[in-house]
Amino acid sequence: QKEVEQDPGPLSVPEGAIVSLNCTYSNSAFQYFMWYRQYSRKGPELLMYTYSSGNKEDGRFTAQVDKSSKYISLFIRDSQPSDSATYLCAMKNQGGKLIFGQGTELSVKP
Amino acid sequence: NAGVTQTPKFQVLKTGQSMTLQCAQDMNHNSMYWYRQDPGMGLRLIYYSASEGTTDKGEVPNGYNVSRLNKREFSLRLESAAPSQTSVYFCASSEVKSDKLFFGSGTQLSVL
Repeated sequence: QKEVEQDPGPLSVPEGAIVSLNCTYSNSAFQYFMWYRQYSRKGPELLMYTYSSGNKEDGRFTAQVDKSSKYISLFIRDSQPSDSATYLCAMKNQGGKLIFGQGTELSVKP
Repeated sequence: NAGVTQTPKFQVLKTGQSMTLQCAQDMNHNSMYWYRQDPGMGLRLIYYSASEGTTDKGEVPNGYNVSRLNKREFSLRLESAAPSQTSVYFCASSEVKSDKLFFGSGTQLSVL
């Protein structure tokens, strides 16, 4: 079993939809949670960073962490075609190395 | 503002050939990393260098060697390429003990 599981998709939504991307994990020691966005033929870029449970909002993006369920989510409101990319979750424990999910491919149709 | 620069962008090798992937960063970061990305596997760490003069194995180091040439440059060498090394390779850098990685655009490598 992988430490971090992420549905690879692809996920296709109409412009303006609310998108929910999710990851589950098995290591209860993970404390730091990140979402990276990767456009086609580009390297990933950090989108959101959270520590501990709860929500963090940045514009149209909200990152949510539920440590009791070992589950993290990224919500995108009012999705735009420019949001079309692969979204990778990543997490680590104190002093550990980043573990990435497989990535979810998202397509937002005009 | 180049960030992290990788060369080459594409490469085709025959089994048994060797090659070196080059990476350079201009952000004065101490830490540098090499990842490979395969379908269904996500990003996996091959090697990393926490600071100039040090290198350590990651999750999948077999078949690879690295050199931290100076603070800016971190190269990845395949001594005898195998088809299982067909992948997209990413170099990244970060401040010491930072989780914010800055990635290059990748090298798409095919080993026939």
